[in-house]
Amino acid sequence: AQSVAQPEDQVNVAEGNPLTVKCTYSVSGNPYLFWYVQYPNRGLQFLLKYITGDNLVKGSYGFEAEFNKSQTSFHLKKPSALVSDSALYFCAVRVPYGQNFVFGPGTRLSVLP
Amino acid sequence: GAVVSQHPSRVICKSGTSVKIECRSLDFQATTMFWYRQFPKKSLMLMATSNEGSKATYEQGVEKDKFLINHASLTLSTLTVTSAHPEDSSFYICSARVSSGSKAGELFFGEGSRLTVL
Repeated sequence: AQSVAQPEDQVNVAEGNPLTVKCTYSVSGNPYLFWYVQYPNRGLQFLLKYITGDNLVKGSYGFEAEFNKSQTSFHLKKPSALVSDSALYFCAVRVPYGQNFVFGPGTRLSVLP
Repeated sequence: GAVVSQHPSRVICKSGTSVKIECRSLDFQATTMFWYRQFPKKSLMLMATSNEGSKATYEQGVEKDKFLINHASLTLSTLTVTSAHPEDSSFYICSARVSSGSKAGELFFGEGSRLTVL
């Protein structure tokens, strides 16, 4: 069975500092990995994905994520956080040819001015 | 491209009435759409998988007679909450999986619908 863990409910970081939102997964075979962001009372917005190829994936709004197969991780990073990055972040996994995405529990990011 | 429209964004209804929420893929076809429920400060709970032209697949614990799903075309899925009760109040989100093209397999989300049952 597929599963996604986001070990931190909440991440606080000062504006201008680098941020990391952690994600680990468990899946049979090679995973497709995704990050989504949700602002209050809104749907989820796609940030980036890893399918194959380069382990470092760059996405929207300056975010990037690194796929680490040995550690089964896909941590989301940004070199310099903005207050506007404050939101709920979801990591998700899907197996190739699979129907369903499995989402992590979400991590609330607060960027303090 | 790849826009999913969800309507209504907010709805308030009386207990016992039914409410229909629409999910449309505006510029792509989606043979598969998903319906989620999200409680405050909680993750997404998958309710059901909606497949065009066939019956929806419901997750364990989700009452299919209460949450009616119809996926009549490649661009539209509807969720009807029947005989709504206050405990059905929640934020409902749909997503659509791109069927073909350069974004095939990717998932795009609607903006969500906040249901309040009085």
